[in-house]
Amino acid sequence: GDSVTQMEGPVTLSEEAFLTINCTYTATGYPSLFWYVQYPGEGLQLLLKATKADDKGSNKGFEATYRKETTSFHLEKGSVQVSDSAVYFCALSDRGSSGSARQLTFGSGTQLTVLP
Amino acid sequence: ETGVTQTPRHLVMGMTNKKSLKCEQHLGHNAMYWYKQSAKKPLELMFVYNFKEQTENNSVPSRFSPECPNSSHLFLHLHTLQPEDSALYLCASSQEFLSGNLYNEQFFGPGTRLTVL
Repeated sequence: GDSVTQMEGPVTLSEEAFLTINCTYTATGYPSLFWYVQYPGEGLQLLLKATKADDKGSNKGFEATYRKETTSFHLEKGSVQVSDSAVYFCALSDRGSSGSARQLTFGSGTQLTVLP
Repeated sequence: ETGVTQTPRHLVMGMTNKKSLKCEQHLGHNAMYWYKQSAKKPLELMFVYNFKEQTENNSVPSRFSPECPNSSHLFLHLHTLQPEDSALYLCASSQEFLSGNLYNEQFFGPGTRLTVL
């Protein structure tokens, strides 16, 4: 079945440092790929997405490129801020077994802490 | 209210209690989901409802019973839970299309933090 393997955390960086969170996936079809972010005490929010190979998703300074050849969707940001401290989840979307609704398969999440 | 709301935000219950979690989406979506988020584990999909019909049940114990009376409301009825069921329960919704390869962005509620004593 589908699976997502995500870089283990926690990750601690200083403000303005470069961020990379690795994500690789296995899927039988042609999934869409997502990064979600979860701030303390809140639900998950979509950060960015890519629906086909070589697509680049971007939002709030974060970027990720759908690499079909390496089955990867690594998250990057050139200069992190304290407000970026959160848990980041990589996910893929594919049809469920019934074919009637897409399902998200999540990675285990990476805790990011940015220090001032 | 906007987006996806969940009540209660926090719930403490004994193993013999019966309680229900409520989720409401104000986005006009036609699919709703229950997820379980435990410490140090990936999010686990529990149930999927598409057009009010349950389409997925990922081997969830019968002590969890979902109900979807309409496309805007989703309930999770709980009874005789175990301490290991303590977790954050997240509801989500999305707009599903009957054909095509359109992605589905799922919108999440804030979750209900459940503690089973």
